[in-house]
Amino acid sequence: NAGVTQTPKFRVLKTGQSMTLLCAQDMNHEYMYWYRQDPGMGLRLIHYSVGEGTTAKGEVPDGYNVSRLKKQNFLLGLESAAPSQTSVYFCASSYRQGASYNEQFFGPGTRLTVL
Amino acid sequence: AQSVTQPDIHITVSEGASLELRCNYSYGATPYLFWYVQSPGQGLQLLLKYFSGDTLVQGIKGFEAEFKRSQSSFNLRKPSVHWSDAAEYFCAVAPGGYQKVTFGIGTKLQVIP
Repeated sequence: NAGVTQTPKFRVLKTGQSMTLLCAQDMNHEYMYWYRQDPGMGLRLIHYSVGEGTTAKGEVPDGYNVSRLKKQNFLLGLESAAPSQTSVYFCASSYRQGASYNEQFFGPGTRLTVL
Repeated sequence: AQSVTQPDIHITVSEGASLELRCNYSYGATPYLFWYVQSPGQGLQLLLKYFSGDTLVQGIKGFEAEFKRSQSSFNLRKPSVHWSDAAEYFCAVAPGGYQKVTFGIGTKLQVIP
């Protein structure tokens, strides 16, 4: 199993450009998440999904959109990139066993620079 | 809403010394608690987790953590640190049965020979 994979690993954008980050997981997990990691701020939740076709806003959703058309994929879009979106982006997935909550599995990250 | 405090942003220890990383949380009930480790340029890897039961939890790589309800703490410990333990460590909390996790800002561990 590859676990959680992210594409691309690095990207440089100019202000105003758009792009999509792809997250894929092969563990059949119901839940998927997008985080951004900035120095001194830990990980902050951007958007998350509790199942195919459903998404919800996290802590810092402004400027981002997401889609979960297939259970194994979770896309993060930047419609008009801004320098404040320079960050490292992590995707994660998790699963449920009855009423039990389970830990999140993380991808390797995408380092995005917006000039 | 829950919150997590990691009061130490940076810690330096000598190889072979013991380690304790502090984590305090704020939540009305007993939460799900986690410690993750992040090596440079990598994603986060789970070290250990606490859901219920025994308050002393064993994890991978020789780490353990103790849940203390009275102190709202979940401190991470290792009796003897190895140079390969140099990384950033994140404490995280989630309400029971719910999926939204709150992470602390992390503690960066430096290990000196």
